[in-house]
Amino acid sequence: GAVVSQHPSWVICKSGTSVKIECRSLDFQATTMFWYRQFPKQSLMLMATSNEGSKATYEQGVEKDKFLINHASLTLSTLTVTSAHPEDSSFYICSARSGSSNTYEQYFGPGTRLTVT
Amino acid sequence: GDSVTQMEGPVTLSEEAFLTINCTYTATGYPSLFWYVQYPGEGLQLLLKATKADDKGSNKGFEATYRKETTSFHLEKGSVQVSDSAVYFCALSFTGGGNKLTFGTGTQLKVEL
Repeated sequence: GAVVSQHPSWVICKSGTSVKIECRSLDFQATTMFWYRQFPKQSLMLMATSNEGSKATYEQGVEKDKFLINHASLTLSTLTVTSAHPEDSSFYICSARSGSSNTYEQYFGPGTRLTVT
Repeated sequence: GDSVTQMEGPVTLSEEAFLTINCTYTATGYPSLFWYVQYPGEGLQLLLKATKADDKGSNKGFEATYRKETTSFHLEKGSVQVSDSAVYFCALSFTGGGNKLTFGTGTQLKVEL
């Protein structure tokens, strides 16, 4: 089946620094990738939709200058948390859609746990 | 806005017991409904889905029926195994499974021998 990886799986950074999280589709090309955020014991919340070669579409309430998303190739999207603060500590999950239509399935990465100290 | 409510976990069962995980939704219109499963250390995987009222999704012994009148999509399995231990997420989408998904909080299932 389709595999999506994330790197790193766990990262600790100091307040004020930036951290980059990678999401890769390993065995298929993904024109569309999604970034979700999950707080403990809460739902996954969609942060943004990323289309290869174009700007990401952010959900209401998500700061686009804080969460920079780049989807430069058909197999890689990155999420950069800029000037991170403790409240940004969370579990970040990406997914990749296997086709151009909305009817295609999303495949999820295993997630990245970010801790900001 | 749209939302999904799941029963809180963890749910602990003995092997071969019957499983029900409740899921209800609030939405304007008639969304597609999904169950995803997340095994330890892995990404969410689509378990089953239903796209219209009265549809039944099924996979690996799990079933769920889209009930419009009760806005529910409860997950059931007749006989659970230890290998079913995972976190189960109910979700909805108005544009198929390939676009924005609205998730419930997830229910952890633990199956013991």
